[in-house]
Amino acid sequence: DTEVTQTPKHLVMGMTNKKSLKCEQHMGHRAMYWYKQKAKKPPELMFVYSYEKLSINESVPSRFSPECPNSSLLNLHLHALQPEDSALYLCASSQGTTYYEQYFGPGTRLTVT
Amino acid sequence: GESVGLHLPTLSVQEGDNSIINCAYSNSASDYFIWYKQESGKGPQFIIDIRSNMDKRQGQRVTVLLNKTVKHLSLQIAATQPGDSAVYFCAENIPGGGADGLTFGKGTHLIIQP
Repeated sequence: DTEVTQTPKHLVMGMTNKKSLKCEQHMGHRAMYWYKQKAKKPPELMFVYSYEKLSINESVPSRFSPECPNSSLLNLHLHALQPEDSALYLCASSQGTTYYEQYFGPGTRLTVT
Repeated sequence: GESVGLHLPTLSVQEGDNSIINCAYSNSASDYFIWYKQESGKGPQFIIDIRSNMDKRQGQRVTVLLNKTVKHLSLQIAATQPGDSAVYFCAENIPGGGADGLTFGKGTHLIIQP
């Protein structure tokens, strides 16, 4: 299984809502990532987890809260988002020795109203 | 600020021709430079990487060149096919405590004409 799955595919939420994005991989990868991608722009790194510990937080606002319950799962909890947070949220994973070769999921298209 | 960029936003080539996509970078501390391909509606897909101590690396139909003197990276695709149509991003690693994130360049949209 060389697939990274993300749910939901699409999400519309209000600014007062709380929602979560989910990412799963069964490749035995020990590093997992969240990226944000606006239309016609490159992905921007948000968080990196290595062996289930948060190793990089790229100064992301606290309304985004990542969680890595185990080595196969990665969640992104969303609360009090702004319309400018509307974007494609991509999850990726990689092996421990080849961090640069990341496997990306198809993303969750988030719209904040 | 962004440390990796691309020269051309759109590149149109004839099917069967070779394509060259260019990228400039500014962070000399990166260990790896990588090319990703993103098709419409999908996440980025790894194509090829090159370590900072190398000048050239070849894969299947692709070649990556690294010129550290002028901080320039290029991706050459031989005999382009319709399936090569996508946005191509160069990227460099962001060294972290355990795993490295990536900084992506702006992207080049490669269009293959029949």
